[in-house]
Amino acid sequence: GAGVSQSPRYKVAKRGQDVALRCDPISGHVSLFWYQQALGQGPEFLTYFQNEAQLDKSGLPSDRFFAERPEGSVSTLKIQRTQQEDSAVYLCASSLGGSSSYEQYFGPGTRLTVT
Amino acid sequence: AQSVTQLGSHVSVSEGALVLLRCNYSSSVPPYLFWYVQYPNQGLQLLLKYTSAATLVKGINGFEAEFKKSETSFHLTKPSAHMSDAAEYFCAVSNTGGFKTIFGAGTRLFVKA
Repeated sequence: GAGVSQSPRYKVAKRGQDVALRCDPISGHVSLFWYQQALGQGPEFLTYFQNEAQLDKSGLPSDRFFAERPEGSVSTLKIQRTQQEDSAVYLCASSLGGSSSYEQYFGPGTRLTVT
Repeated sequence: AQSVTQLGSHVSVSEGALVLLRCNYSSSVPPYLFWYVQYPNQGLQLLLKYTSAATLVKGINGFEAEFKKSETSFHLTKPSAHMSDAAEYFCAVSNTGGFKTIFGAGTRLFVKA
């Protein structure tokens, strides 16, 4: 079956531009996560949705970052007024249940480069 | 607060040799522990997980890990390395009953012919 997909795979933005990154989770998965992975580092938690509810957004670096999942399936991570420090790979993951014991299935990521 | 430390950002082994990737965790509550593998330009894939059942966990591709509470460790091993094992490996921890997962910085495994 289809896995988690993300688009675009690569995005180059000029400093100050707004960007929107899309995640299509596995159908029927309740949980959806966004992570930021800087070069040479592990993924860092950004935010978590259970269905359409955003239960935790404590990892979002600033108020320029915003995520939504309005119908409990597709999610969008939006970054306003991009800065160079936003350059990273943004990973989306989904899981079947609401507990962290469930396996997370990761998408291939969107590599964002801010110039 | 939870945290994960992976000892060694790079590990190099010869094909056929033992693979040992080290992971130590910190958690104030019983943890769930995971190992993920990441191949270039791909997302992370779960290798194995510990969720408070057997302390020796077997995963895919011949990998296994042992949960040692007294040492707060969850090291990943494979008896015989294969060229296809070359990748980045991440250890991760989360709370029982929670949902947030904390990842280590990763260990890149090189396999020499």
